[in-house]
Formats: sequence, structure tokens, C-alpha cells
Amino acid sequence: EVQLVESGGGSVQPGGSLRLSCAASGFSFSSYAMHWVRQGPGKGLEFVSAISSDGGRRQYASSVKGRFTISRDNSENTLSLQMDSLRPEDMAVYYCARYGGDSGESALDFWGQGTLVAVST
Amino acid sequence: EIVLTQSPATLSLSPGERATLSCRASQSVSSSLAWYQQKPGQAPRLLIYYASSRATGIPTRFSGSGSGTDFTLTISSLEPEDFAVYYCQQISNWPLTFGGGTKVEIK
Repeated sequence: EVQLVESGGGSVQPGGSLRLSCAASGFSFSSYAMHWVRQGPGKGLEFVSAISSDGGRRQYASSVKGRFTISRDNSENTLSLQMDSLRPEDMAVYYCARYGGDSGESALDFWGQGTLVAVST
Repeated sequence: EIVLTQSPATLSLSPGERATLSCRASQSVSSSLAWYQQKPGQAPRLLIYYASSRATGIPTRFSGSGSGTDFTLTISSLEPEDFAVYYCQQISNWPLTFGGGTKVEIK
């Protein structure tokens, strides 16, 4: 059974940092690209960042570029998101999701339950 | 950045009725469009990928159509568990983008 479990969320002041993690199990983690998607309170879904299966290619939303860094450890089946210089508008539930692949279900086919990041004074 | 516009914002229907949701892209995304369902307090669930392919385990009452800039998600006969928010997402160009969502509510 595919499982994605996020952790690391919490409350932080503007300008602070947090590191989110996503523990993956039940599939060959190193074979899949992974994404972070967030959802602000009462808002829709927003792409944050993505990383290729081998970690060699990374993509970011313009709103987080230069502040957030995505990474992965295929030996530990873990996806991470380092978030620096946090702003109030970064407050959201952050989901990690698996990209099904160009030869599979070519979309985000499995999602974690999300972890809440709160940014306020 | 490709902008996806979903309409209507809210759809009020009764169980058993047909639901038709629209997603329009600001430029062509070919068939690289997905649909997700999200219920309160839950993560999104993939329904449709490549515009018209049902994801694993998705009931046949859900169908997707369209290509280029205009896409439709149809629920042929609403079940009580289908009342939720639906999002489209383009997988064609970076950054990937989502539509603003359509809420399907009980009339």
C-alpha cells in the first residue's frame, strides 16, 4: 500500500525557517518524481515544488523560488522541503504527492494527509 | 504561467442529477490535464488524468473530455459521496497550475 506521511509542520514567526519531511513507503520511491502542493486556509490548491526521480531536476513556483529548497534521499525514501524566509502568505497545509509518471497515471496519483504550517507573530 | 479557469464556482444539484464542470486553459495544454476531488479535511484524490483516463478505482460515473484549452468533467449521476470540491490541474507546462475549484453542493 502506497503511503506518504508528512511531518515537520508547526508555527513559526515571519522570517523563520521550517523543514518539512515526507516519508514514503509501499512503492519504489526512487522511480517516481515527487511534488509539494499547498493549500492556504479556505483556498485552492497551489503547486509549490517538484523534483525528478533522481533528484537532478527541480522546479519551483515563482512565489517560493529562492526561499524554498526541495530535496530527496532515495536511500531513506524521504522527500524534504526546506522553507526559509517564511512569510504570512506561506501559511497553508502542505501536501507531498507522487507523480504517477509519463507511462502511468500522469498526474499526482497519491497524496499524503498534509502538515500545517502557520506563520504569524 | 498557464491560468486555469473553472466554472461554475458552485454547482447546486440533487443526488441522481448529472454534473458538468468546466475547466478552461489560457493556452493549449494538449491533453495534459487532470481532475481531482477533495472533501473537507481530506487530501485531494486523483479522478482523471490525460483529460479522459480514469484513475485506478474511480467509478465509471466520472468521465473527462476535451483537449487544447477546453475541458469537462462529467458526473453522470451524483451519489451522496460525490458532493465535494473539484480541481483541474495542467501537467503541460512548468509551473504546473491548478484551477480555482468547483464546489458541488447538495441542492
